[in-house]
Amino acid sequence: GENVEQHPSTLSVQEGDSAVIKCTYSDSASNYFPWYKQELGKRPQLIIDIRSNVGEKKDQRIAVTLNKTAKHFSLHITETQPEDSAVYFCAAKPGGTSYGKLTFGQGTILTVHP
Amino acid sequence: EAEVAQSPRYKITEKSQAVAFWCDPISGHATLYWYRQILGQGPELLVQFQDESVVDDSQLPKDRFSAERLKGVDSTLKIQPAELGDSAMYLCASSSGTDTQYFGPGTRLTVL
Repeated sequence: GENVEQHPSTLSVQEGDSAVIKCTYSDSASNYFPWYKQELGKRPQLIIDIRSNVGEKKDQRIAVTLNKTAKHFSLHITETQPEDSAVYFCAAKPGGTSYGKLTFGQGTILTVHP
Repeated sequence: EAEVAQSPRYKITEKSQAVAFWCDPISGHATLYWYRQILGQGPELLVQFQDESVVDDSQLPKDRFSAERLKGVDSTLKIQPAELGDSAMYLCASSSGTDTQYFGPGTRLTVL
């Protein structure tokens, strides 16, 4: 089955700096890669996703890049703000339909210091 | 904006007792998922429904866990008997037939 590795497990940055979280996956059949943000005690919220026919996707301060050959994808947050502090999870899934298992990474605790 | 609903939000029980969690997916979403999230880890899929049918329950401990979605809408996850190691957040998610999954607020289970 799929195995998703996420690094780093914790990340501390100053407000205004950039943050990068990296994930690798093992199953070449995976072609859908979402990122979720989970604040303490709250539900995971989808913040951005990418499919394997796209190398990069950007939404304001958040971007995701995908290298399908190397089987890794990354989340980039620019101009970080204290409200970006949360746990971030990457995931991978065979795409196209709702079938197929979404496999999550272990999570990254991001702390943005004012 | 429609959201996935779950209840209860918190449940404390003693080991060997039975517990049940309820999930109401976003209206019209045919696919429903139950995940377990142990503190400090990512969610792990327990069971996936397509309408009322189970399509993946490979990670569901079937000796004590059961899940049903009788009318293909809301769903119940049951644990009987609960064990100390079952303490976790139980998340429900739903999907409209695409890749995107929307999560509910979860039920935090503590087994004493």
